[in-house]
Amino acid sequence: AAGVIQSPRHLIKEKRETATLKCYPIPRHDTVYWYQQGPGQDPQFLISFYEKMQSDKGSIPDRFSAQQFSDYHSELNMSSLELGDSALYFCASSFGGRATGELFFGEGSRLTVL
Amino acid sequence: GENVEQHPSTLSVQEGDSAVIKCTYSDSASNYFPWYKQELGKGPQLIIDIRSNVGEKKDQRIAVTLNKTAKHFSLHITETQPEDSAVYFCAAQGFQKLVFGTGTRLLVSP
Repeated sequence: AAGVIQSPRHLIKEKRETATLKCYPIPRHDTVYWYQQGPGQDPQFLISFYEKMQSDKGSIPDRFSAQQFSDYHSELNMSSLELGDSALYFCASSFGGRATGELFFGEGSRLTVL
Repeated sequence: GENVEQHPSTLSVQEGDSAVIKCTYSDSASNYFPWYKQELGKGPQLIIDIRSNVGEKKDQRIAVTLNKTAKHFSLHITETQPEDSAVYFCAAQGFQKLVFGTGTRLLVSP
């Protein structure tokens, strides 16, 4: 079965650069979530989208923005990168918006900021 | 907002033993409680979940129990195998985002 696809899998950037991560949800899933996971940490919720509208917002820095497109894929844009942004970024998808459960995660994008 | 606590942070067992991981949550509105297994460098993988209208659910060697009154839920793995070694996260979700516990690193020794 098709899973959540994230790209790129690895990304190396310098401080103050910008980065864009992409997420392709499972077919027919209409809800996308972004999580950030630091080394040895639990995933921290950043932002979510349901039917192309932002549905919830977590600890996403103002330097980050995201959107969900008409084909339900999502992009996380990160600007003015800082060393502390180095982390694994996971995208998850589900069907039917919040409170329906069954989030399926991608394999993540590892961002390293030098 | 929701706060999920998870214990223990590390758990070492011998192959064939049982492992139990416990979580508590704070928001009584939470009604969905999944468990994820995360292997090194990979994304969290849903292994079992339970909803608030059910007290227990079992899937082969894995079972989850939920006590809504006490706001705690547990993961039970029986007959552990070395391939069960991973980090396990509990999570809770109500009307808002899914909130994760802090994770348990399970090590199963042959």
